[in-house]
Amino acid sequence: QFALTQPPTVSGSPGQSVTISCTGTSSDVGTYKRVSWYQQSPGTAPRLMIYEVSNRPSGVPDRFSGSKSGNTASLTISGLQAEDEADYYCSSHTSFSIIFGGGTKLTVL
Amino acid sequence: EVQLLESGGGLVQPEGSLRLSCAASGFTFSSYAMGWVRRAPGKGLEWVSIITDSGSTTYYADSVKGRFTISRDNSKNTLYLQMNSLRGEDTAVYYCAKRDYSSSSRWFDPWGQGTLVTVSS
Repeated sequence: QFALTQPPTVSGSPGQSVTISCTGTSSDVGTYKRVSWYQQSPGTAPRLMIYEVSNRPSGVPDRFSGSKSGNTASLTISGLQAEDEADYYCSSHTSFSIIFGGGTKLTVL
Repeated sequence: EVQLLESGGGLVQPEGSLRLSCAASGFTFSSYAMGWVRRAPGKGLEWVSIITDSGSTTYYADSVKGRFTISRDNSKNTLYLQMNSLRGEDTAVYYCAKRDYSSSSRWFDPWGQGTLVTVSS
């Protein structure tokens, strides 16, 4: 059960856009819509930001968007705000296991 | 409002045991799979285990297989994680989460606030 591959860190200035990639295999990320994204700020529980590759739960700002190409998914945050600074994790699953990415720390400069 | 409240964490010696509980409210507990995810200090999220809505099927990460047991009591709206033969590398905050789903995907939403398990002598 190997982790999905994410960049360890990304950064951007307020108002800019950043994209976090998440690479898996044809058995997980590349299958159907098996990608979700979670945000975790220090001392808080993870929060679902994107499910089914590109769907946003109610309450998540439309600045957050998701996409996928082949075995790589992406989370894009546009119009960066200071409150977006957090750790972000992608996740996928096979029939028998659930996999998370190693996490990406987003710093808002 | 969906709420998940974990309990049962604490300090335990290596090779010891601990049982975590997760009390659920605000949704039809028996209609959803549930899972446990942990985050060790300085590390990322790691999936631990998942159980189907009826409790008939369970899955485990290789790192805990044979040592941890997930279960649920749908009459009490409660999820459990029995952890035996604990090791230092099991030290983490343990989160329970509801497994939401569609015809083509699954995801965790929402998550509980977590309970800290520390394995140390």
